[in-house]
Amino acid sequence: RKEVEQDPGPFNVPEGATVAFNCTYSNSASQSFFWYRQDCRKEPKLLMSVYSSGNEDGRFTAQLNRASQYISLLIRDSKLSDSATYLCVVSTMDSSYKLIFGSGTRLLVRP
Amino acid sequence: ETGVTQTPRHLVMGMTNKKSLKCEQHLGHNAMYWYKQSAKKPLELMFVYNFKEQTENNSVPSRFSPECPNSSHLFLHLHTLQPEDSALYLCASSPLGQGLGNTEAFFGQGTRLTVV
Repeated sequence: RKEVEQDPGPFNVPEGATVAFNCTYSNSASQSFFWYRQDCRKEPKLLMSVYSSGNEDGRFTAQLNRASQYISLLIRDSKLSDSATYLCVVSTMDSSYKLIFGSGTRLLVRP
Repeated sequence: ETGVTQTPRHLVMGMTNKKSLKCEQHLGHNAMYWYKQSAKKPLELMFVYNFKEQTENNSVPSRFSPECPNSSHLFLHLHTLQPEDSALYLCASSPLGQGLGNTEAFFGQGTRLTVV
């Protein structure tokens, strides 16, 4: 089983749509959780951290369910510029602090 | 600009060549990482350095050899690579210390490597 699993998509949605991405992780000792965004042929960049109480940043809302080991990202009022791959990321601390990436979910927002 | 710089941005090398990738950060971070991203595959963690010490080698073939001379620099030495090693190699850094909290990683722009 992969440490971090995501639906690869692609999700093809019209502008203005609401879209939700889900992610599950296998290591119950995972400490921190993030959503990264990666544009084509570019490096990943942090979109937002995910807190236990859930958090919102403009049109983006992230939720964490530790009991179910599940993370979500909701994007409201999609823009063309939201088209990218969204990576679910989990940090663990065993022999070292490290970030484990999911395979990413591709989002295409059409006019 | 994230504060993590990788050179070169593009590299084409033959299977018998020896080359090195360089990563530099002046963010004061104590953890540095090498990731590999192949076409249509997720990011794969290769090596982790915490406080200049290698703390993780994720079953990477010995033809990849990392070096971390100080907390600001990380190298990946390459020799006798195979065509399937062609990929985007990404360096990242993150802070470490008391109370890790939500410590994000900052990525360099990557080196796109082609082995011919």
